[in-house]
Amino acid sequence: AAGVIQSPRHLIKEKRETATLKCYPIPRHDTVYWYQQGPGQDPQFLISFYEKMQSDKGSIPDRFSAQQFSDYHSELNMSSLELGDSALYFCASSPGSFSSYNEQFFGPGTRLTVL
Amino acid sequence: AQSVTQPDIHITVSEGASLELRCNYSYGATPYLFWYVQSPGQGLQLLLKYFSGDTLVQGIKGFEAEFKRSQSSFNLRKPSVHWSDAAEYFCAVARRGGGGNKLTFGTGTQLKVEL
Repeated sequence: AAGVIQSPRHLIKEKRETATLKCYPIPRHDTVYWYQQGPGQDPQFLISFYEKMQSDKGSIPDRFSAQQFSDYHSELNMSSLELGDSALYFCASSPGSFSSYNEQFFGPGTRLTVL
Repeated sequence: AQSVTQPDIHITVSEGASLELRCNYSYGATPYLFWYVQSPGQGLQLLLKYFSGDTLVQGIKGFEAEFKRSQSSFNLRKPSVHWSDAAEYFCAVARRGGGGNKLTFGTGTQLKVEL
């Protein structure tokens, strides 16, 4: 069965650089979530999209932005990177119907290291 | 604000022994409840979930969890642990009622299995 695809799997950047993480949801899933997991931490919700519109926002820094495209893939753009941005970034997708809960399926994550 | 508490940061059990991982939540109303497992460097895999109905839910890999409303708990259990169960386990909740299905995770319990 198709799963959530994230690219790249690993990314190394310098401070103050920019990074773009990509997420390709499971086919026919129209909702995408982004989570950040720092070293030894629990995953923290960043932002979500439903039908290409932002649906919820968590503790996402102003330096980060994200969007969902017409094919439902999503990109998380991170600018002016800081050492503290080093983390595992997960994308999850779920099928539609925002009126009830639908299981989120997680991708393998992108490990971002900021030097 | 909602919160999820996993009191045990580390647990060590012998292979073949029984396991119970604790999870308590603080919420205005009973949320959707989940247990996820994460192996080192890997993504999050859903073990089981509770939405409603029978308070004892069965999941994958021989895990089960019991929802106790009076104690605001959703403890994970396994009768006989296998060495491959060594991983980090996260309890998570999502708000009922739609309009945003973000997951809030506990801080995780690291399980070590002694052979």
